[in-house]
Amino acid sequence: QKEVEQNSGPLSVPEGAIASLNCTYSDRGSQSFFWYRQYSGKSPELIMSIYSNGDKEDGRFTAQLNKASQYVSLLIRDSQPSDSATYLCAGGNNAGNMLTFGGGTRLMVKP
Amino acid sequence: NAGVTQTPKFQVLKTGQSMTLQCAQDMNHNSMYWYRQDPGMGLRLIYYSASEGTTDKGEVPNGYNVSRLNKREFSLRLESAAPSQTSVYFCASTPGGRHEQYFGPGTRLTVT
Repeated sequence: QKEVEQNSGPLSVPEGAIASLNCTYSDRGSQSFFWYRQYSGKSPELIMSIYSNGDKEDGRFTAQLNKASQYVSLLIRDSQPSDSATYLCAGGNNAGNMLTFGGGTRLMVKP
Repeated sequence: NAGVTQTPKFQVLKTGQSMTLQCAQDMNHNSMYWYRQDPGMGLRLIYYSASEGTTDKGEVPNGYNVSRLNKREFSLRLESAAPSQTSVYFCASTPGGRHEQYFGPGTRLTVT
């Protein structure tokens, strides 16, 4: 069973701090990784994708991938209350035609 | 572009009733997917369609059937609904040659 694991949280950070969300995966064949944000009662929204080892930055978001350690992370700088949501990590299979999702980490940003 | 649309938004069924959840995308995407999301279980793949005319089972296909009607539309049918099928159902699609999936707004289904 190929798995993607996340701490369910909640992760609580003060406004303006850096939020660090982590994810591990079991399928060494995975080539693509994604972070989705899901507000309560809404659908998942893609916020970051990463395919290569290292860091990828987009605005306040940085995704990090370490294939040797099978580890993906998402950093959110200058966290805002509007960032409060559940963040889902997903890994693509080798063929790239399916994603396996983690259970999500609930983030709470306190004013 | 409307993106991925789903109908209905909410539905209540009695045990044994049947219904079809509709999904359509206007982004010319090749692959389409049906997921269910339950508390504590995350998103689980029910069925997917890599292209028009093809469908494959996902992790939890029992009790469901799908039809890829054309490139735009992918429907999910519950032939005889059971309380265990109470869930939020999401449809998603992927552009050709890429891996990321884009989700519709979801259908909240309750089976009593």
